[in-house]
Amino acid sequence: GQQLNQSPQSMFIQEGEDVSMNCTSSSIFNTWLWYKQEPGEGPVLLIALYKAGELTSNGRLTAQFGITRKDSFLNISASIPSDVGIYFCAGRGTDKLIFGTGTRLQVFP
Amino acid sequence: KAGVTQTPRYLIKTRGQQVTLSCSPISGHRSVSWYQQTPGQGLQFLFEYFSETQRNKGNFPGRFSGRQFSNSRSEMNVSTLELGDSALYLCASSEAGTSGPNEQFFGPGTRLTVL
Repeated sequence: GQQLNQSPQSMFIQEGEDVSMNCTSSSIFNTWLWYKQEPGEGPVLLIALYKAGELTSNGRLTAQFGITRKDSFLNISASIPSDVGIYFCAGRGTDKLIFGTGTRLQVFP
Repeated sequence: KAGVTQTPRYLIKTRGQQVTLSCSPISGHRSVSWYQQTPGQGLQFLFEYFSETQRNKGNFPGRFSGRQFSNSRSEMNVSTLELGDSALYLCASSEAGTSGPNEQFFGPGTRLTVL
């Protein structure tokens, strides 16, 4: 099935560090969504982006909709242990939502 | 508002059996999408229903089917189960289908194990 390229695959960082991850596509999207999934649970929506160039924050999280409409970025500032989980991007063109391969984040105290 | 609910949360079946999973969307949401999540393939889209009609379909065999009821609740069915069908099945709801707000909200999933 189709998946978006998401990088990095995994990150091991120290508490307090900033984190950046991105997602790229060969197709143009009209919507970019970022989700976080914890073990045994479904993904939880963090940020939704609807316009090229849009920059949106949710607490310590900031995401951007790339100008080319083929990429998106998520930044987490001052990471804390509860940021641990898998982060997924998802893009939508004219029909279904396509998900990235996920970035596994581990935060050490 | 209550979130998306899925039942059952866990299921163990044997090869060749069939299974039905249920999803109740957030109140007022008319679109329900189903996904299969496995460690190797990630999140794969199965199908989307909007107002009782299948609007989109992923690349899964015909053994995977679904339906949506007039109250927006949805079920998915997998017939003739195979070992490779073991996965977390996630349901997501949104207010609209392909137009309008695209934010999808996920349920906790049903963990299906096929022995």
